[in-house]
Amino acid sequence: LAKTTQPISMDSYEGQEVNITCSHNNIATNDYITWYQQFPSQGPRFIIQGYKTKVTNEVASLFIPADRKSSTLSLPRVSLSDTAVYYCLVGGVYSSASKIIFGSGTRLSIRP
Amino acid sequence: KAGVTQTPRYLIKTRGQQVTLSCSPISGHRSVSWYQQTPGQGLQFLFEYFSETQRNKGNFPGRFSGRQFSNSRSEMNVSTLELGDSALYLCASSLEGRAQQDTQYFGPGTRLTVL
Repeated sequence: LAKTTQPISMDSYEGQEVNITCSHNNIATNDYITWYQQFPSQGPRFIIQGYKTKVTNEVASLFIPADRKSSTLSLPRVSLSDTAVYYCLVGGVYSSASKIIFGSGTRLSIRP
Repeated sequence: KAGVTQTPRYLIKTRGQQVTLSCSPISGHRSVSWYQQTPGQGLQFLFEYFSETQRNKGNFPGRFSGRQFSNSRSEMNVSTLELGDSALYLCASSLEGRAQQDTQYFGPGTRLTVL
């Protein structure tokens, strides 16, 4: 399972665009990249998933370069409610010997 | 469609006791996974069930066990509780749990405190 590296924490202000980058040098050909958001004492919430290039949904965009060794979650015009921990996951949970690794995530703090 | 539900939401036990946590997946989801989250270790995979069979298991001692019923509901049990078992226990469900893009949806978790 590919290991991921993210910044431990990030700060930003309301209304700004926030980009969180995740490094995954050992990503396999069949691996997808998934991002989750977690608020304190709640379960992680799926944000977005992609395989290559760019994916956009109503809450975020995911940019994946051609070599797929990194990915960037982009949150447009953040608000205070976007303060949370963001996890980047790579790969599949469900191979025969898989164990999901969330990593330590990125603690995003949004200020007024 | 209702989300993943977990009961109870909060639980306080003492060392040596055992505990059973319950998870009801999203309707139609057949894969249920369990995770332990602590401040020190982060989010760690416990095990995954599919069609009443344990399909994957994380690196936890045998005191941690689980099962899945024919309606896909799942329970996990922790016996002989230790102080270090205090954590947020999360359940996640997905349709089949096989495809890379088979997204997991998490429940709110059960906060277990061991005294």
